[in-house]
Amino acid sequence: KAGVTQTPRYLIKTRGQQVTLSCSPISGHRSVSWYQQTPGQGLQFLFEYFSETQRNKGNFPGRFSGRQFSNSRSEMNVSTLELGDSALYLCASSLRRNNEQFFGPGTRLTVL
Amino acid sequence: AQSVTQLDSQVPVFEEAPVELRCNYSSSVSVYLFWYVQYPNQGLQLLLKYLSGSTLVKGINGFEAEFNKSQTSFHLRKPSVHISDTAEYFCAVSDFTGGGNKLTFGTGTQLKVEL
Repeated sequence: KAGVTQTPRYLIKTRGQQVTLSCSPISGHRSVSWYQQTPGQGLQFLFEYFSETQRNKGNFPGRFSGRQFSNSRSEMNVSTLELGDSALYLCASSLRRNNEQFFGPGTRLTVL
Repeated sequence: AQSVTQLDSQVPVFEEAPVELRCNYSSSVSVYLFWYVQYPNQGLQLLLKYLSGSTLVKGINGFEAEFNKSQTSFHLRKPSVHISDTAEYFCAVSDFTGGGNKLTFGTGTQLKVEL
């Protein structure tokens, strides 16, 4: 069974632009969560989607948003990029809520 | 609110020596505990998990961890490390009581195995 896939793997943007990251969960998994990893703040929870609805949200500004499609694939969007948004963005999927999560390889976003 | 403390940011150890990576958590409710490993330029891989039952949990690659509720700890151990164990290790907690999959992570411990 294929693991969690994330595209693109690397991305370079400039301040003020917006970006969309994609995540395809493991087949059959219905919950998708997103995390931001930076050297300064570590791993922080962004949000979780289940059945196309956001179920949980971390402490991030409204510039960070996401959605989930009927096939459980998820996208996250960051608008008006700031230098501090440079990070590794990790997606994780699980079979259902309250279940162990499997992580993808991440998308490394660099904001110049 | 939950929190996780990994006291050691770096742990150097010689190959074939034992190692313990420490993790303490804080939560007002029952929790589920996890250890993940991250190799350079990769995502997180689940090493082991404690959900309930036996407090000694065995995981992949010869790692094990013991849940100690009274000390709110979940230390990771391996009796003999290999050079390939060099990586960053993250302890995480989730209460699941509010539903959902929000993991709270510690700051990570860089394990460096030397010859």
